[in-house]
Amino acid sequence: SQQGEEDPQALSIQEGENATMNCSYKTSINNLQWYRQNSGRGLVHLILIRSNEREKHSGRLRVTLDTSKKSSSLLITASRAADTASYFCAINQGGKLIFGQGTELSVKP
Amino acid sequence: DAGVIQSPRHEVTEMGQEVTLRCKPISGHDYLFWYRQTMMRGLELLIYFNNNVPIDDSGMPEDRFSAKMPNASFSTLKIQPSEPRDSAVYFCASSLGKQGFIGTEAFFGQGTRLTVV
Repeated sequence: SQQGEEDPQALSIQEGENATMNCSYKTSINNLQWYRQNSGRGLVHLILIRSNEREKHSGRLRVTLDTSKKSSSLLITASRAADTASYFCAINQGGKLIFGQGTELSVKP
Repeated sequence: DAGVIQSPRHEVTEMGQEVTLRCKPISGHDYLFWYRQTMMRGLELLIYFNNNVPIDDSGMPEDRFSAKMPNASFSTLKIQPSEPRDSAVYFCASSLGKQGFIGTEAFFGQGTRLTVV
C-alpha cells in the first residue's frame, strides 16, 4: 500500500478532553504533515514536522515524530465541538505526498 | 490568491463517456498533485507534477486515466472511457518546493465529485 497507517480509525470524545491520533509509516521521509478534512470539503494543512525535528506545537496542536519507530502522533488539547472532522497524516518522500487512511474525530458538546 | 480552483464541482456522466477534470494551482507553486478519495480506498495519489513535468504516475489505475499539465497554471485529469467504479471525489493540490527543502504544505481544491452511472 502507498498509504501510511493511522489509528484509531474513529475517536469519540467529550468537549474539553484531549484527542490523540497516531500515524505509522514504512519508508524514509523528508517531513510528515497533518491535515484536517471537514465533511464534503478539501483537506486543510495543520502542521508540518521535519524529519530532524521531534516535537512541534501550534496552538492547541502538538505533533511528535519518532523516526526510529517511524511513527507520529497528533494531540489536540481541550477539544471543541468544532474540531469534529477527519484527520490525516501525510508523509513527504522527496516531494511525493502520501496520505494515511485518516482518523474520524467526533467531539460531543 | 483564490487558492486551488477545480472544475467542475460535480459531474454526473454515463458509463463510456469521456470525463475531463480541471485544476488551476496557486500561482508560483511548482508541485501539483491529483488524488482520488473513496470510502473504500481512502485518499490515493494518482499522479504528481513538478515544474509541469509528470514525476510519478504509478498511482494512475489504468490506461483509461491520463493527466496533463501544459503550463504552470493549468492541469487536466481525463478518464476515457469512464466506468461506474471511477465514481469518487477527485482532488487537486499544489505546493511550493524550496531550495534545499523539498515539499511544503499542500493546498487542496474543493474537489470534483464524479458520479458515473
